[in-house]
Amino acid sequence: QSVLTQPPSASGTPGQRVTISCSGSSSNIGSNTVHWYQQVPGTAPKLLIYTNNQRPSGVPDRFSGSKSGTSASLAISGLQSEDEADYYCAAWDDSLNGPVFGGGTKLTVL
Amino acid sequence: QVQLVESGGGVAQPGRSLRLSCVASGFTLSNYPMHWVRQAPGRGLEWVADISNDGGNEYYADSVKGRFTISRDTSKNTLYLQMNSLRAEDTAVYFCARDGATVVVTASFDFWGQGTLVTVSS
Repeated sequence: QSVLTQPPSASGTPGQRVTISCSGSSSNIGSNTVHWYQQVPGTAPKLLIYTNNQRPSGVPDRFSGSKSGTSASLAISGLQSEDEADYYCAAWDDSLNGPVFGGGTKLTVL
Repeated sequence: QVQLVESGGGVAQPGRSLRLSCVASGFTLSNYPMHWVRQAPGRGLEWVADISNDGGNEYYADSVKGRFTISRDTSKNTLYLQMNSLRAEDTAVYFCARDGATVVVTASFDFWGQGTLVTVSS
């Protein structure tokens, strides 16, 4: 059971916009910043969004993040086949005194 | 460029020990907090441990506290994870990751190694 809650799956067709939600509590998302990771199966995770809505160099602007209260969202616009991967949210948890992850969302491009 | 390369994984019997290494290049280990994150087969990511940039503080997930120890050798620019009293549930790919912040420890990991597989089985 992950501390942060994500839907296990999401899907969309090429060109569509999809969103992935991440729900937490006052001790994590409610009081700390949210980060998102993309993981193609068999490879290491890659930082996709940091500090709620910042993109590292090289990440396309099709990816965007937002946070409100104890929830956060990752949006992917102009969906492409290469976006098919697992997506994880993460945040620092003040009660656990460490980072916590969501259970991951498997994105399928139909 | 920044690179992290893990090694030391393998098969160990329950109750035995393993030490993982993570050699960093392209940056100085002592300038960043560092983490170990694991992923059990077919499962999600789980944070394991971190060490502050000055090496003075270490934190552990409850699942490994008292059994695992994170450390580093700045002369070798290498991060370690000593894993004792291994259990079947420790079976996972172990990744080392650099914290994106330079002073405080966060949940933002900007560079990851390729991972090393640890299998605990009799």
